[in-house]
Amino acid sequence: AQKVTQAQTEISVVEKEDVTLDCVYETRDTTYYLFWYKQPPSGELVFLIRRNSFDEQNEISGRYSWNFQKSTSSFNFTITASQVVDSAVYFCALSARSSNTGKLIFGQGTTLQVKP
Amino acid sequence: GAGVSQSPSNKVTEKGKDVELRCDPISGHTALYWYRQSLGQGLEFLIYFQGNSAPDKSGLPSDRFSAERTGGSVSTLTIQRTQQEDSAVYLCASSLAREHEQYFGPGTRLTVT
Repeated sequence: AQKVTQAQTEISVVEKEDVTLDCVYETRDTTYYLFWYKQPPSGELVFLIRRNSFDEQNEISGRYSWNFQKSTSSFNFTITASQVVDSAVYFCALSARSSNTGKLIFGQGTTLQVKP
Repeated sequence: GAGVSQSPSNKVTEKGKDVELRCDPISGHTALYWYRQSLGQGLEFLIYFQGNSAPDKSGLPSDRFSAERTGGSVSTLTIQRTQQEDSAVYLCASSLAREHEQYFGPGTRLTVT
């Protein structure tokens, strides 16, 4: 069975602080894909990143960075110098090759509040 | 280019009525997915389309739920004899192919009274 756990339900930081959102996944597949999505107050899910299981290189995109560690089954997301516009619910998701569909298994989400 | 669109954005219906929710995927995207988002259950997969066929309907919660896709494009999710527990936001997503990143529509908020 596949599972994604985001243990942090809510995080509150002050603008310009760095913040890390944790994601731990479970799968028996050797080929799988991990994703992060942002859901701002407007409600629409916004794609942030997709990473396949064979690529453990960390990725940086502006103030966003992702740390993928197969040894701990984690795919953590860090926002550097947070801004009020980063306030949203962030979802980590897993797609396992064995599903043959690409369907996403989502974590419960982490609500990030960035205060000015 | 145009993203995924869904209609209506909001739907209020009485218990027992049927509803139809529509999804227009991104042009050229062969894979289409329906998900449901509710407070208690989070984001749940409902059904996957590849072209016009639905090889995975495993997430549909009951036989009151059905979906179809025509012309490899527009999809309709139908809920018959709606119940209060069907109240949720129904999200549609499309991707170039399975396992690629999925792009989501704005959702349809369904309220069953």
